[in-house]
Amino acid sequence: GAGVSQSPSNKVTEKGKDVELRCDPISGHTALYWYRQSLGQGLEFLIYFQGNSAPDKSGLPSDRFSAERTGGSVSTLTIQRTQQEDSAVYLCASSLASSNYGYTFGSGTRLTVV
Amino acid sequence: KQEVTQIPAALSVPEGENLVLNCSFTDSAIYNLQWFRQDPGKGLTSLLLIQSSQREQTSGRLNASLDKSSGRSTLYIAASQPGDSATYLCAVKASGGSYIPTFGRGTSLIVHP
Repeated sequence: GAGVSQSPSNKVTEKGKDVELRCDPISGHTALYWYRQSLGQGLEFLIYFQGNSAPDKSGLPSDRFSAERTGGSVSTLTIQRTQQEDSAVYLCASSLASSNYGYTFGSGTRLTVV
Repeated sequence: KQEVTQIPAALSVPEGENLVLNCSFTDSAIYNLQWFRQDPGKGLTSLLLIQSSQREQTSGRLNASLDKSSGRSTLYIAASQPGDSATYLCAVKASGGSYIPTFGRGTSLIVHP
């Protein structure tokens, strides 16, 4: 597609439920990133996928968070047993795996845990 | 570890003023630096991308400069308008390893009529 697409745009869930957030990167972009932005805070790196390499999961805050990327394209971020502190905007970005390229972000998914 | 700082954290100006937003980074070994704009509750929109070999980039009323040796970039906004109100973030792509960008905390700009 022309841009990075994220769905849903908004998600309200009850505490303890599992949620899945989807990111569809720009076609041909081999690098994909997930970030979290809590209210009034900066961007917190979560996970990075590059081609077929093992993902860099160093930013995942707990084992309740996981992500996968199927076929080197669409990625799903899963949060199990959601907590209120998981409420945030989850942003996805993609890029070409090259030193010269910048990043393109999606519009984000606003997650509210009640 | 790369650290990115943006000053000021917040700025409120009357319409028509020329503005300078600052971004500093601790490790000068970078591939590029990118400026973004973020409207409340929205994603990031890319404004300008400066490669490490470049000194500046321009787009309309925006001009971004890069001084890699001193670890600084500035975003200059000419003749500010209320529609420029947003948070401006800079991101650095460091060389020599992962392509994970490092972001500053942003400058929150309000331009009032």
